[in-house]
Amino acid sequence: DTAVSQTPKYLVTQMGNDKSIKCEQNLGHDTMYWYKQDSKKFLKIMFSYNNKELIINETVPNRFSPKSPDKAHLNLHINSLELGDSAVYFCASSLRTGPSEQYFGPGTRLTVT
Amino acid sequence: QKEVEQDPGPLSVPEGAIVSLNCTYSNSAFQYFMWYRQYSRKGPELLMYTYSSGNKEDGRFTAQVDKSSKYISLFIRDSQPSDSATYLCAMTPMDSNYQLIWGAGTKLIIKP
Repeated sequence: DTAVSQTPKYLVTQMGNDKSIKCEQNLGHDTMYWYKQDSKKFLKIMFSYNNKELIINETVPNRFSPKSPDKAHLNLHINSLELGDSAVYFCASSLRTGPSEQYFGPGTRLTVT
Repeated sequence: QKEVEQDPGPLSVPEGAIVSLNCTYSNSAFQYFMWYRQYSRKGPELLMYTYSSGNKEDGRFTAQVDKSSKYISLFIRDSQPSDSATYLCAMTPMDSNYQLIWGAGTKLIIKP
């Protein structure tokens, strides 16, 4: 049983395109996150949702828009993709907001050409 | 200066050795400290979690926090080739967001 799943696993696209990444968790958690991991393995939080409500919105270009249709899903839509958007994007979830364990998905490797 | 500093390595040691992985930080408000392990092309998974100062042991793993020096360590005893991975430290203050601040990760290679 996959706890946190993401689709697609790989995404290769051209500059200027719009793409979406989907995330689902079946752990019954209240909080979900999007992280970006660059080529140097540095993990940076992008967004956090608690019960479908946005609670963390780091300095991320407006081209990135998260959407949480219910507390088990958190999708990420990216408009007008740029070369610098190439990275691995991880979805994660935790039982609640707070210093609780975060469970990560397998990641989506985005390559913008 | 980053809030959390971690040597990216790689750190290469022979099987059976004791491994020491470290992070330093600058924010004295950090209270919760975590170590995650990330295998290649996988998501991070939580290894150890400590609150405030002190030691915590779990099998071959020991996490140590020295708040006076703003320094945390993860020790791995009797290292195995399966321990080869990137180890990321993460920490958070006690505030309303509890946002995790991550180190860059240390790549560890255990040679058989």
